[in-house]
Amino acid sequence: SAVISQKPSRDICQRGTSLTIQCQVDSQVTMMFWYRQQPGQSLTLIATANQGSEATYESGFVIDKFPISRPNLTFSTLTVSNMSPEDSSIYLCSVHSGVYNEQFFGPGTRLTVL
Amino acid sequence: GQQVMQIPQYQHVQEGEDFTTYCNSSTTLSNIQWYKQRPGGHPVFLIQLVKSGEVKKQKRLTFQFGEAKKNSSLHITATQTTDVGTYFCAGYNNAGNMLTFGGGTRLMVKP
Repeated sequence: SAVISQKPSRDICQRGTSLTIQCQVDSQVTMMFWYRQQPGQSLTLIATANQGSEATYESGFVIDKFPISRPNLTFSTLTVSNMSPEDSSIYLCSVHSGVYNEQFFGPGTRLTVL
Repeated sequence: GQQVMQIPQYQHVQEGEDFTTYCNSSTTLSNIQWYKQRPGGHPVFLIQLVKSGEVKKQKRLTFQFGEAKKNSSLHITATQTTDVGTYFCAGYNNAGNMLTFGGGTRLMVKP
């Protein structure tokens, strides 16, 4: 299994500002994933972060809006840039691990944009 | 692209009643996983099904994978208040490199 921590756990931000979310894993992993979960909704994959290469973004998400860093095998950051109220959501970091290659999720960062 | 649908979206049951959520994929899946997310929490892995027609049980929970590997179900017998949460299915495509989550079924249990 993998233990994942995220910072901050929650934040309230002003429109037009940016927030960087940090994700730390207790073991080395090749891929880290960033998901968004809007209130009462399912999980939507934003991007896959690979160490040593650019992140791979899913349809509807772009690097300018959600820049990602992956400096080593245990850490990643996701920045939500030029925020608007529509970006209010929970952002979850995740890794594949375990016998079943299941997803382990961090506790999430609850973002509110005013 | 691959789509995974779940029904119902919400379900209210009386404690002790049974509950079932259904998951359907637009494409054949290599395997399917189920997760539970408690209110205010993050999704937690429950189980994985790989074989066509596979059935697995975890205490009061029964998981089934369809013969065509395009659908799955989770059945809870005699629900308890601790079962409250949202249940997500998630399917891997045949290449095994893309995991798509269903919309989730939110279960509410009245004591």
